[in-house]
Amino acid sequence: QVHLVQSGAEVKKPGASVRVSCKASGYSFTTFAMHWVRQAPGQRLEWMGWINVGNQNTKYSEKFQGRVTISRDTSASTVYLDLSNLRSEDTAMYYCARDLYSSCLDFWGQGTLVTVSS
Amino acid sequence: EIALTQSPGTLSLSPGEKATLSCRASQSVSSNSLAWYQQKPGQAPRLLIYHTSSRATGIPERFSGSGSGTDFTLTISRLEPEDSAVYYCQRHDITSLFGGGTKVEIK
Repeated sequence: QVHLVQSGAEVKKPGASVRVSCKASGYSFTTFAMHWVRQAPGQRLEWMGWINVGNQNTKYSEKFQGRVTISRDTSASTVYLDLSNLRSEDTAMYYCARDLYSSCLDFWGQGTLVTVSS
Repeated sequence: EIALTQSPGTLSLSPGEKATLSCRASQSVSSNSLAWYQQKPGQAPRLLIYHTSSRATGIPERFSGSGSGTDFTLTISRLEPEDSAVYYCQRHDITSLFGGGTKVEIK
């Protein structure tokens, strides 16, 4: 069965960068795109971007353009989210999610809590 | 830019009752691009409905979706205690956008 397992919680200082990983199993890794969605405490889900795992094409939300990079390592069946120049407002749970089709997300990772605090 | 507004903010109903959740878009949305998710506390979201009305794998028949244009609805026909959660609509396309959510409480 499909599993998406994310890396552990992170605590970062303002201005730092963070990398969150998402290891996929149970399906053909390069067949499905992968998205990143975050959720600040008590807030709505916020889409960040996605990667076509097959050809590495990416699409980012305008809100995060310039600060976010999504990449993948096919040998490790893993997708990465890099977010730079962190600020307190980036404190959130970050989720990876598999694209069933056209950004409809059928399987989700367990979430990675990123806390930004001085 | 398109916005998705969900109402009501909170719905408090008894087991067996019907829940009707609304998602209104500021611009017309393709029927192929509207999905619904359920999120329970401390858990990741779970896909319920895509294509406005298609149930995802393993989703009970009591969950149904409908709508077109700017107005979409998620209906839970007979609420069960485990349906207590926040429900989000999503416009999904080359980019994605989520509504603010409706919290369903079971009395």
